[in-house]
Formats: sequence, structure tokens, C-alpha cells
Amino acid sequence: SQQGEEDPQALSIQEGENATMNCSYKTSINNLQWYRQNSGRGLVHLILIRSNEREKHSGRLRVTLDTSKKSSSLLITASRAADTASYFCATDGEDSNYQLIWGAGTKLIIKP
Amino acid sequence: DAGVIQSPRHEVTEMGQEVTLRCKPISGHDYLFWYRQTMMRGLELLIYFNNNVPIDDSGMPEDRFSAKMPNASFSTLKIQPSEPRDSAVYFCASSGGRTPNQPQHFGDGTRLSIL
Repeated sequence: SQQGEEDPQALSIQEGENATMNCSYKTSINNLQWYRQNSGRGLVHLILIRSNEREKHSGRLRVTLDTSKKSSSLLITASRAADTASYFCATDGEDSNYQLIWGAGTKLIIKP
Repeated sequence: DAGVIQSPRHEVTEMGQEVTLRCKPISGHDYLFWYRQTMMRGLELLIYFNNNVPIDDSGMPEDRFSAKMPNASFSTLKIQPSEPRDSAVYFCASSGGRTPNQPQHFGDGTRLSIL
């Protein structure tokens, strides 16, 4: 079964708006990671947040982690057309032997 | 720095043929992962290696699939015989560190079509 599940499955917003994607998981984790995948390309690691961290920033990206709710959110501020991509969360569930388990992704479309 | 390199980028072949996908991981990375991505099933881990040794191949769908890592700079994924349902994008990824839950670096994949 999937450990991480992203929500929404698809999101379409205007350029300049903020985009928020959510990830829920089922078991305790050591870390949670977010990746971006542009069409026809491989996944690119964006940010890693450890289970003892609550928030991390990287440029226009802000990730939060709520271990009590077993959920994380990825916020992209001031979106650009180049942010159009699919975004995946990955977690290492406590039963997974540190292997990453992937969600199905959120497809983000930024309209110019 | 060169990233993970996969070849070929595209492969179209007929059912029953042998397919070999190749991967060169990032130098110094101890972990190598093979994934398959489809619209229906998303991203699936097929097998991963640590220091050239297969650690978990429970995701390999059938005996028709095999993977090898003869040295730290090269890995192959073979499908023999291939079937139309094997059509997918296959990714190779590598990571450093002591455990497999560290950030992974992906190649751009091989888009495989079995006719």
C-alpha cells in the first residue's frame, strides 16, 4: 500500500499565485522528501525534512511537517510557468527498512 | 558534475525480444535503484543495490526481469522475453550515505515500448 499520498491529484493556478500540495502517510518516519518531475524527465530532489523538524525553506519552497497528523505540505510561493511539473513526496516508513515509499504525485499546472 | 546517465532514452521493440537498459550512477554513490513508472501504477521500486550487491528485489515483477551491477559504475536491467505490458518509463537513481533513505538522483529514464 502507498505510504505517501498527495493531495490534490491535480492543481491549476495562475502565475504569481501560491501553490500548496499535501502529503499524508501512515507510519512513523525518519524523513520525508519532496521531488519535482518535469515532463519527460527524471525526478529531481527538492527538499528533505527530518521527523524532528517542523518547517524548512528553500528559495520559494516551504515545507512543513506535522508528525502528529502524519502529514506534510509543500508551498510554492509566487509560482512561475517553469514550476509546471508533477510533485511527489517520499517517506521512509518504519517498516520499510529505510526504503523510500512514493506517493502518486500532484500534477501542478501554472497558467501564464 | 555528470548526473545519472541512462541509455537508451527510447526503445521500441517487438514482443518476445530481449531488452537491456543501462545505467551509470553518480560516482561515489553507494546505492543504485531501478524504478518503473506508469500512469496506472505510478512509480514502483523494482530493485536496489548497495555497494554493487542486490539488497531487495521484491519489486521485480517476474522472472523475466533481471538486474546486475558488475561494478560501482554500471548496472543493467534486462527483460527477456519482453511483453507489451512491460511498456513503461524505467528510471535509474543513485544516492550516497549509509542508508537508502537519502536524497536520490534520477536519470532521465528509458521510455520502453513493446509492440
